[in-house]
Amino acid sequence: DTEVTQTPKHLVMGMTNKKSLKCEQHMGHRAMYWYKQKAKKPPELMFVYSYEKLSINESVPSRFSPECPNSSLLNLHLHALQPEDSALYLCASSQVEGGGYTFGSGTRLTVV
Amino acid sequence: DQQVKQNSPSLSVQEGRISILNCDYTNSMFDYFLWYKKYPAEGPTFLISISSIKDKNEDGRFTVFLNKSAKHLSLHIVPSQPGDSAVYFCAASADSNYQLIWGAGTKLIIKP
Repeated sequence: DTEVTQTPKHLVMGMTNKKSLKCEQHMGHRAMYWYKQKAKKPPELMFVYSYEKLSINESVPSRFSPECPNSSLLNLHLHALQPEDSALYLCASSQVEGGGYTFGSGTRLTVV
Repeated sequence: DQQVKQNSPSLSVQEGRISILNCDYTNSMFDYFLWYKKYPAEGPTFLISISSIKDKNEDGRFTVFLNKSAKHLSLHIVPSQPGDSAVYFCAASADSNYQLIWGAGTKLIIKP
């Protein structure tokens, strides 16, 4: 299995909702990432987990809450989002030693 | 301060000809460089990478050249095919820090 699987593919949520994005990989990668991508922009790093521990939080607002239950799973919990948070949310994983990151196809999030 | 720059927002190339995508960087600590291809509404797909100990890496139709003294790398695609039409992102990382620093992307359009 050489894929990063993200669910759901599309999500529409209201500003008072609570939802979660899920990411799964079975490649034995020990680093996992959340990126946010707006249209026509490169992906922006949000969080990095290394060996299931949060190692980097790029000053992301607390309405985004990551969770890494085990080495294969990465969640992003969403609460009280704003319309400007609408974007493509990408999960990625990599070997700790580096190399080509594997990205999921993303969750297209729309906040209404 | 943009550490990775892709100065051409778009590039149009005739099918069958060579496509050359350029990327410049400013941080001399970068030692690993990657190219990603991205279709609309999908996650980036890893294409090819190069370590700073090399000046060329080839994989099929894709070749990446690295000029460390000029802090410049380029991606050559030959021959260009219609399926190559996408946005291409250059990314870089430094040893012991596996975060990716992304360029802004170049939209490649292959004309029939």
